[in-house]
Amino acid sequence: KQEVTQIPAALSVPEGENLVLNCSFTDSAIYNLQWFRQDPGKGLTSLLLIQSSQREQTSGRLNASLDKSSGRSTLYIAASQPGDSATYLCAAHQKVTFGTGTKLQVIP
Amino acid sequence: EPEVTQTPSHQVTQMGQEVILRCVPISNHLYFYWYRQILGQKVEFLVSFYNNEISEKSEIFDDQFSVERPDGSNFTLKIRSTKLEDSAMYFCASSLDRDSETQYFGPGTRLLVL
Repeated sequence: KQEVTQIPAALSVPEGENLVLNCSFTDSAIYNLQWFRQDPGKGLTSLLLIQSSQREQTSGRLNASLDKSSGRSTLYIAASQPGDSATYLCAAHQKVTFGTGTKLQVIP
Repeated sequence: EPEVTQTPSHQVTQMGQEVILRCVPISNHLYFYWYRQILGQKVEFLVSFYNNEISEKSEIFDDQFSVERPDGSNFTLKIRSTKLEDSAMYFCASSLDRDSETQYFGPGTRLLVL
């Protein structure tokens, strides 16, 4: 059974700092891995999707990497802004399994 | 930009009652999904639907749950006899393809079973 874990569970950083969120999964036989953000009481907004054959994807200040062999993905956020404050979720798509989430707070 | 919509946004029901949660996926998408998130817990996969049939389901998706695409636009999740533990946020999602395309999520329906 796929297990997806995210570290850290919560993170507080000053505005402008670069940061890395980690996601690990136990079964490397995935179709793709997707990163989402979730604002309190709201739905999920897709940020980046990395297909199983890819190693990274970039969108603006966000860069996600995927290392299937080690069962890891990272989300790099450059020059963090208060608007980045949210819970970030990774999801391993096989029988879709979500991680536990990282709650990010960016302090202005 | 096209988006997934869900109705109602909130639903309160009595234990044992039937509820139907509705979703309108993005129009050219072929794969449809339901997820739930119990307050403070992880998002959990319930079921995926393709070509008018269930393609995958989780252990959570037992006989109390059913999905249907009654027409060309709506995708519904029915809970036949709600239990207290069914209280959660239910998210619908859709994607163009299963393996290579982004899943787009709706805003969710918050279900409270009393």
